[in-house]
Amino acid sequence: AQTVTQSQPEMSVQEAETVTLSCTYDTSESDYYLFWYKQPPSRQMILVIRQEAYKQQNATENRFSVNFQKAAKSFSLKISDSQLGDAAMYFCAYTTTGNQFYFGTGTSLTVIP
Amino acid sequence: KAGVTQTPRYLIKTRGQQVTLSCSPISGHRSVSWYQQTPGQGLQFLFEYFSETQRNKGNFPGRFSGRQFSNSRSEMNVSTLELGDSALYLCASSLEGRGEKLFFGSGTQLSVL
Repeated sequence: AQTVTQSQPEMSVQEAETVTLSCTYDTSESDYYLFWYKQPPSRQMILVIRQEAYKQQNATENRFSVNFQKAAKSFSLKISDSQLGDAAMYFCAYTTTGNQFYFGTGTSLTVIP
Repeated sequence: KAGVTQTPRYLIKTRGQQVTLSCSPISGHRSVSWYQQTPGQGLQFLFEYFSETQRNKGNFPGRFSGRQFSNSRSEMNVSTLELGDSALYLCASSLEGRGEKLFFGSGTQLSVL
């Protein structure tokens, strides 16, 4: 069964500093996709970053980057130069070509001014 | 382009009633998925529709059903509501599904009394 585990229920970071959110997953598939979504208090899920499993290169989107370790089934998110607007719940997610997404339980990120 | 639109934003129902939630995907998107979000269970996949056909279904009882119209708009119905159905229901769309990023609506908050 596919599972996604986020072991950090809460994290905090000083504004302008760097923080890393952890995610591990379990799958027997070889073709899959990994995502990080953020959910601010407005409740709308917003895509942060997407990684295709067959690509060895780690995905980056501006201040957001991932450390994808396929053999270890690890997919961590690094946020550089943290901003107040980064405060949100962050969800790690996994899907295959079947398009059913499996989400982790989330990490609540607080940004301290 | 307009984003994913869900109506209504809030609903209050009583046990035993039924409810219909609506979702309009981004123009051109043919895949629509529904997720239930609760504090205890997190985000759980309900079902996915593509070109008016249910393509994938999560592990929910038959009281939860959905459909998709020719314009890709989707509705979700829950019959014989139970207290445990209180949740945020999120709709998401993508072009074709198949590992693409999901674009989420703001959700419908359902409270069952």
